Amino acid sequence: AQKITQTQPGMFVQEKEAVTLDCTYDTSDPSYGLFWYKQPSSGEMIFLIYQGSYDQQNATEGRYSLNFQKARKSANLVISASQLGDSAMYFCAMREGSGYNKLIFGAGTRLAVHP
Amino acid sequence: GAGVSQSPSNKVTEKGKDVELRCDPISGHTALYWYRQSLGQGLEFLIYFQGNSAPDKSGLPSDRFSAERTGGSVSTLTIQRTQQEDSAVYLCASSLEGAKYEQYFGPGTRLTVT
Repeated sequence: AQKITQTQPGMFVQEKEAVTLDCTYDTSDPSYGLFWYKQPSSGEMIFLIYQGSYDQQNATEGRYSLNFQKARKSANLVISASQLGDSAMYFCAMREGSGYNKLIFGAGTRLAVHP
Repeated sequence: GAGVSQSPSNKVTEKGKDVELRCDPISGHTALYWYRQSLGQGLEFLIYFQGNSAPDKSGLPSDRFSAERTGGSVSTLTIQRTQQEDSAVYLCASSLEGAKYEQYFGPGTRLTVT
């Protein structure tokens, strides 16, 4: 079974609008972390936001927020006030366990921001 | 400060040749990870090193792949007898100790096997 599922291969949004990118995950480990990365066409992986499984509040970082619904095992990324520079691939990833561990990535969602 | 660096940025090799890819992590980062990304795909875990512990090699796709980390810093990923399916971008990442810390990625090495 897929550990990380991103069901939207492509999304588009109008500039200045908000957009939600979906991510669901599957783990039996009570301790885990969820990450979102942005990959522009240049190829670098840019960390956006982190949510720990025991965090009580949804994570926020500037225009990025994570809609964490633990019971549903979803960790959707919300980008507010989209900008043209937000056009990129977005990857959801999970780290299982409480220490060092590899990231398991979803297949990604390509976001296009239209003027 | 300096980020994660990788070399070479691009490598073209003939099928059957061996290649070495290098990663310099961020100074002070004790964990180092290798991933690969095939065209249009997500990242696939290969191997990670944490401090002086034995590396987690569970993601290496075959025994043609190996990696080492010398002195707790620089790492080299070696692919022996390269195959065309090895063509991908190989990404290295490093992180601080602690579960909440993100992994910082290097720019990657684009490997093309002809």
